[in-house]
Amino acid sequence: AQSVTQLDSHVSVSEGTPVLLRCNYSSSYSPSLFWYVQHPNKGLQLLLKYTSAATLVKGINGFEAEFKKSETSFHLTKPSAHMSDAAEYFCVVSGVRSSGSARQLTFGSGTQLTVLP
Amino acid sequence: EPEVTQTPSHQVTQMGQEVILRCVPISNHLYFYWYRQILGQKVEFLVSFYNNEISEKSEIFDDQFSVERPDGSNFTLKIRSTKLEDSAMYFCASSEGTSEYNEQFFGPGTRLTVL
Repeated sequence: AQSVTQLDSHVSVSEGTPVLLRCNYSSSYSPSLFWYVQHPNKGLQLLLKYTSAATLVKGINGFEAEFKKSETSFHLTKPSAHMSDAAEYFCVVSGVRSSGSARQLTFGSGTQLTVLP
Repeated sequence: EPEVTQTPSHQVTQMGQEVILRCVPISNHLYFYWYRQILGQKVEFLVSFYNNEISEKSEIFDDQFSVERPDGSNFTLKIRSTKLEDSAMYFCASSEGTSEYNEQFFGPGTRLTVL
C-alpha cells in the first residue's frame, strides 16, 4: 500500500520569496516520488522526480525537492516565487507490486499555490 | 514536443447514458492509464493497459467501465451507464515503460458532467 499526505491545501507567498510545499509519503514498495503541477485548464505536467539516484532532485522552472527517508518526506522548494508559479501542485508516489506490472500513481490531495504581487 | 491529447474537453450526459472518452497517447508509448478526479478530491487511479489488455485496475473500475485500444492510436474509456457520481475530470496518461525512470505523461483531461 502507498499513500501521500500534502500538509497544506493552500499556500500563499509574495513574488520573489521562497516557496515550500510539504509532502509526506508511505509506501510498502521501493517508491519513486514525483511532483506534478497543474495550471488551469491544462494537463498535469511533471516538475521533477526522485528515483533513488540522488536525494536532492532538481526540476524545471527552478524547483527542487529533497528526499528524506528518515522523515518520509519529499518537500518541494523554490528560492524565489514567480507569478507564473501560481498553480496546483501534486505530490505523487509510485510503486510496482511485481516486476513488469504497470506503475500505479497515488496522488496527494494537492496544494494550491498563490503568488501575490 | 509530443503530447497526450484527449477529446472532448467537456462532456455533458444524462444519467444512464453511455459515454466514451477518447485519448491519443504519445506514439511510441506502450503503457496507458486512466485516472479521475472528482471535484475537490484526489486524483485516483482507475486502470492501466498494456499489450491490449488490462494490467491493473482499482476498486473504482467496476463492470460499468471498460477500456479499449480500437486502433493504433486511440485509447478509450467507456462508461456503460453513467451515474451522477461519475461526474469528474478524467485524465489519460501514457508511458514508454514501467521502470522508475519512465514518466507518465498526462493529457489535459475530459470534464464529464452527469445530469
